[in-house]
Amino acid sequence: EAQVTQNPRYLITVTGKKLTVTCSQNMNHEYMSWYRQDPGLGLRQIYYSMNVEATDKGDVPEGYKVSRKEKRNFPLILESPSPNQTSLYFCASSLSRAAGKETQYFGPGTRLLVL
Amino acid sequence: TQLLEQSPQFLSIQEGENLTVYCNSSSVFSSLQWYRQEPGEGPVLLVTVVTGGEVKKLKRLTFQFGDARKDSSLHITAAQPGDTGLYLCAGAKSNYQLIWGAGTKLIIKP
Repeated sequence: EAQVTQNPRYLITVTGKKLTVTCSQNMNHEYMSWYRQDPGLGLRQIYYSMNVEATDKGDVPEGYKVSRKEKRNFPLILESPSPNQTSLYFCASSLSRAAGKETQYFGPGTRLLVL
Repeated sequence: TQLLEQSPQFLSIQEGENLTVYCNSSSVFSSLQWYRQEPGEGPVLLVTVVTGGEVKKLKRLTFQFGDARKDSSLHITAAQPGDTGLYLCAGAKSNYQLIWGAGTKLIIKP
């Protein structure tokens, strides 16, 4: 089954404790991205990757890191989480970066609470 | 960050009623997409509209792209409980920039 998987689905942590949220897709998609979803603010893009070893900042990259060592995986790293990073995070993938033309496939989301 | 304005933010109606939700902006978009998101899941693409004035139908859902490509609407006929969810619109301002709305939360009561 074609899908995007994320782990963990739920995470409670404390300020400053490094964490990684994994994302994997099995559709051989080139383009992957991370979003955060907050009430009233819609989806905001954190980072994206156009292919292996090619990543770039989205609209809200501060406090986050990513890597793309393999085509299928795109982990999101919070080196020193802070309470304002409490949010619902989504990983998405698509065949290409063509905004609004391609179907983006989203993972199920990771709900993060930073105390 | 720019935002597409979606209205209403929240809508709760009885099964069988019709409804329309709107997605508005002052910007022109090259295309616009509608997604539906159910609780505990990621958004799923419903439709992409590209041409000004374009109308697309998906069973009981009718999507329209404004003539000037600045706005869009989603009309649901005879709503059913399975239509419950968060409806998101996303407009493409360029080849690479997608602007999202905050969503319309729709509840259809049996």
